[in-house]
Amino acid sequence: AQSVTQPDIHITVSEGASLELRCNYSYGATPYLFWYVQSPGQGLQLLLKYFSGDTLVQGIKGFEAEFKRSQSSFNLRKPSVHWSDAAEYFCAVLGNQGGKLIFGQGTELSVKP
Amino acid sequence: DTEVTQTPKHLVMGMTNKKSLKCEQHMGHRAMYWYKQKAKKPPELMFVYSYEKLSINESVPSRFSPECPNSSLLNLHLHALQPEDSALYLCASSQPQQNYGYTFGSGTRLTVV
Repeated sequence: AQSVTQPDIHITVSEGASLELRCNYSYGATPYLFWYVQSPGQGLQLLLKYFSGDTLVQGIKGFEAEFKRSQSSFNLRKPSVHWSDAAEYFCAVLGNQGGKLIFGQGTELSVKP
Repeated sequence: DTEVTQTPKHLVMGMTNKKSLKCEQHMGHRAMYWYKQKAKKPPELMFVYSYEKLSINESVPSRFSPECPNSSLLNLHLHALQPEDSALYLCASSQPQQNYGYTFGSGTRLTVV
C-alpha cells in the first residue's frame, strides 16, 4: 500500500540554523512527491514537487528537497531558518487512484529566537 | 488568477441546519477536491470531481453532499451534521494529469453545535 511517513512530529530549531525535515514513502512505481506548508488556520501551500529528472529540487521560500530512491526518502532542507518558517509541514505522494494525495502525519516546526 | 477561493471562512451551524460550502477557481483546472482536516492531523480526501463528474467518494456519510455545477465551482452541501464533523474543510484543484500538484484554498472552519 502507498504510504508516507514523517518520523518527526515536532522539531524546534534556532533562527538562522539549518533545517532538515524527513519524509519516507512507500510506492511501487516512480513516485510523484510533494512538500506542503500550512500556517495555523490556513490552507496548504505547495513548496516543491518531484516527478523525474534532477533529484535535487528547488522550491519557494529557499527550500529544497532531495529524492533518494535507494532510501525511499524525500527530505526537505533549508540552510537558514527564519521565524516566519514556523508552521506545519506535510510530505505527500500522489497515489495511483485518480488524483488522491496521500499525506504524511506532518511535522510541526517551531523556531526559537 | 492562481487562487482557489473558499466561502465562508468560518461557519457555525446547528445539528438540524442545512448549509453549503463554496469553492471557486479560475485557473482552468478540470479536477476539484474536497478534503477534511481535523486539528493536528493531515487532510483526508472526501471527494474528487474530474471534468465535473464525481470520480471518487471516500465512503463519506450522506450528510455531506458534493455538487459541481460547472468547471469553476464546487459546492459541499451539509445537512444534519454531528459535532464530530467540526473541522477545517479544504477545497483544492488541479489539472486531471495531477502531476503539477494541487492548489489549495484557505479552507472553511466549520463548527457544529
